Amino acid sequence: DSGVTQTPKHLITATGQRVTLRCSPRSGDLSVYWYQQSLDQGLQFLIHYYNGEERAKGNILERFSAQQFPDLHSELNLSSLELGDSALYFCASSASGASSYNEQFFGPGTRLTVL
Amino acid sequence: DQQVKQNSPSLSVQEGRISILNCDYTNSMFDYFLWYKKYPAEGPTFLISISSIKDKNEDGRFTVFLNKSAKHLSLHIVPSQPGDSAVYFCAAPSNAGNMLTFGGGTRLMVKP
Repeated sequence: DSGVTQTPKHLITATGQRVTLRCSPRSGDLSVYWYQQSLDQGLQFLIHYYNGEERAKGNILERFSAQQFPDLHSELNLSSLELGDSALYFCASSASGASSYNEQFFGPGTRLTVL
Repeated sequence: DQQVKQNSPSLSVQEGRISILNCDYTNSMFDYFLWYKKYPAEGPTFLISISSIKDKNEDGRFTVFLNKSAKHLSLHIVPSQPGDSAVYFCAAPSNAGNMLTFGGGTRLMVKP
């Protein structure tokens, strides 16, 4: 158990809909990262938040947005869903967002299926 | 442009033998590398890492080798055990340390 929790475990929805994925980092961790694992793309970085502020963006679509709340949990919002958004979405946390690498601990993921 | 590549999608070895998983990278700015292990229905878990100032790092049955001139790293598991059956990802953090670039993964199957 990494200490990172993600809800829900599974989500099935239809094209055009909007969903929210939730992540609670390990106790004391200030950084939250979101990654997407699709069948043909592997694990890809989406976005990084540190103590409530966006720190870095990867290949995140404009239809996707995220935020980190004062209690440090984070939500990833996916809207106007398309079939290609079906994937595993992982959240990871680390102690800081410093310039040197801090080990990232991954949650169990949310499997999103868009029908 | 895949900056981190794992060219073997799968590998099958016999229990007790050596497993060798390979990873190539293109970005010469990468100076730290990690291997993650992933079981089904779980998130990736950190296994072992290596800094570019070293060419080898060992932790029990796991050893990672880094060849900077070839931009290649490998993970050796000796002896392999059935519980090692999982997907293994190599990864490198960005210079800012805030994102990991992953390879596509190699599924290792260790047969009893």
